[in-house]
Amino acid sequence: NAGVTQTPKFQVLKTGQSMTLQCAQDMNHNSMYWYRQDPGMGLRLIYYSASEGTTDKGEVPNGYNVSRLNKREFSLRLESAAPSQTSVYFCASSGLGSGSTDTQYFGPGTRLTVL
Amino acid sequence: AQSVTQLGSHVSVSEGALVLLRCNYSSSVPPYLFWYVQYPNQGLQLLLKYTSAATLVKGINGFEAEFKKSETSFHLTKPSAHMSDAAEYFCAVSVFGNEKLTFGTGTRLTIIP
Repeated sequence: NAGVTQTPKFQVLKTGQSMTLQCAQDMNHNSMYWYRQDPGMGLRLIYYSASEGTTDKGEVPNGYNVSRLNKREFSLRLESAAPSQTSVYFCASSGLGSGSTDTQYFGPGTRLTVL
Repeated sequence: AQSVTQLGSHVSVSEGALVLLRCNYSSSVPPYLFWYVQYPNQGLQLLLKYTSAATLVKGINGFEAEFKKSETSFHLTKPSAHMSDAAEYFCAVSVFGNEKLTFGTGTRLTIIP
């Protein structure tokens, strides 16, 4: 099992450009998440999806959109990138057991720089 | 809403010494508590979790944590630090019926040879 995979690993954008971060999991999990990690701020939830076809906003959703393409894939789109979106982005998945106590499994991250 | 506070953004200990990383939580309902570890340039992986069973929870790599309701704490300990423990550690909380995690700001652990 590959677990949670993310592409790309690194990306540099200019202000105003758009891009999509891809995430896939092969653990048959129901829930998937997108986080951003910034120094001194821990991980903050951008969006999550409790099941295929559903998405919900997290703590910092502004400037982002998501698509739960199927049970395996959950993408994050930046329509018009801004320097404030420079961050490391992590995808995670969970959900074979008891919901609230399920372990979240994380991908390796995408390091995004917006100039 | 629930939250966690990690005291000390940086902690340094000598190899072989006790590791103590502090986490306090705030929640209006019984919490579920997690410790994750992040090695450089990697994603997070679960160290241990408290899910309302035993209050002393043992995790991987010799780490353990004790849930203390009276102190609203879930501190992470390891009796003897190893160089390979150098990493960033995150405490997180969720509650029944809401699988979303709220993370603390993290503690970077440095091991001094």
